[in-house]
Amino acid sequence: DAGVTQSPTHLIKTRGQQVTLRCSPKSGHDTVSWYQQALGQGPQFIFQYYEEEERQRGNFPDRFSGHQFPNYSSELNVNALLLGDSALYLCASSFSTGSNQPQHFGDGTRLSIL
Amino acid sequence: AQSVTQLDSHVSVSEGTPVLLRCNYSSSYSPSLFWYVQHPNKGLQLLLKYTSAATLVKGINGFEAEFKKSETSFHLTKPSAHMSDAAEYFCVVSLYTGKLIFGQGTTLQVKP
Repeated sequence: DAGVTQSPTHLIKTRGQQVTLRCSPKSGHDTVSWYQQALGQGPQFIFQYYEEEERQRGNFPDRFSGHQFPNYSSELNVNALLLGDSALYLCASSFSTGSNQPQHFGDGTRLSIL
Repeated sequence: AQSVTQLDSHVSVSEGTPVLLRCNYSSSYSPSLFWYVQHPNKGLQLLLKYTSAATLVKGINGFEAEFKKSETSFHLTKPSAHMSDAAEYFCVVSLYTGKLIFGQGTTLQVKP
């Protein structure tokens, strides 16, 4: 049973560019959330997708956007990249959006902005 | 507002000795609480969860945590540390929407 898979594992971009990160949820899961983890800090919630819609959003600018596909996989897009966007981006999946549903994380995409 | 405070940024123990990682939470309603572990350059692995059932929760790899409402605490313990336990540990509160709020993390060092 495959867990959460993310691609690519590493990415290097320059300021002003755009990036797309991808996530396939664990089998049987229908909800995908994205988190940003800066070096030495805990992950910060970006947004959550359920039934192909953004259900809630953290304190991130509109440069961060996403999408969920009918097969529950998801993309995270970041436009006009800034140096401060350098971080580990984690995708988590769960069955439904309830608070007692544990979220399963992928290994993340390490994004470096030069 | 919901929040999590991990009281120690770094904990060092010797192999074979007990582990205690401390976590206090703030929540306006009965919370769902989790502990996750993160090994270097890896994602987060769920250790255990509390969702208003038994207050003593057993997790994987010999870890357990006790929910104490009166103290708003959810400390993580293990009777005997192993070298493979060295990692970053996060205490997490889940909002009713499923949004996770993470603590700042505790680095566990295990000395031989």
